[in-house]
Amino acid sequence: GAGVSQSPSNKVTEKGKDVELRCDPISGHTALYWYRQSLGQGLEFLIYFQGNSAPDKSGLPSDRFSAERTGGSVSTLTIQRTQQEDSAVYLCASSLALGRAKARQYFGPGTRLTVT
Amino acid sequence: DQQVKQNSPSLSVQEGRISILNCDYTNSMFDYFLWYKKYPAEGPTFLISISSIKDKNEDGRFTVFLNKSAKHLSLHIVPSQPGDSAVYFCAASALNAGNMLTFGGGTRLMVKP
Repeated sequence: GAGVSQSPSNKVTEKGKDVELRCDPISGHTALYWYRQSLGQGLEFLIYFQGNSAPDKSGLPSDRFSAERTGGSVSTLTIQRTQQEDSAVYLCASSLALGRAKARQYFGPGTRLTVT
Repeated sequence: DQQVKQNSPSLSVQEGRISILNCDYTNSMFDYFLWYKKYPAEGPTFLISISSIKDKNEDGRFTVFLNKSAKHLSLHIVPSQPGDSAVYFCAASALNAGNMLTFGGGTRLMVKP
């Protein structure tokens, strides 16, 4: 049924390693978004997909971050050569892309990434 | 430059009283505003929204007020309940910015029994 799911729920990695975060959106939702929330901060927009394409990549913090979406469903966010400042909760959301209801995004529980 | 600001990081109210959470924005292109509630270890959940063509939207105990001239919106919760204790995020979107939401930093609400 369900809502947006994300995996893993927690990830601890060493500085310099690559990580992949996964998001399964709500079935039928064509739009998918990635945000991150650093400690004590609000949600920072990273990237969104309409179908399989990402028209707006301006929020990605650096070229170490990339994301893809295949089949209009699952998305992965990849962080290469992780740094300690990448430590945050990474949140995925999905929405319908019709009219103003598109703005109502449904969030997953997030992946807490800790870079040591 | 923060386009959406929630200047109160925390708010404490007594059960049964009114909670008022405030949000200010700077981008005049924002035309749709939302409030999300977040419990620890969970993703934010949608609470209520308002279009810029309105100045008030009510849903049960929750009412959002929009003052476009002041670029200010507020969320009123009446009566407040202990289960309302959470972090509340204000968010805004602009018609020319696709589906992107710009979030404020959040306000932690604590409702005391």
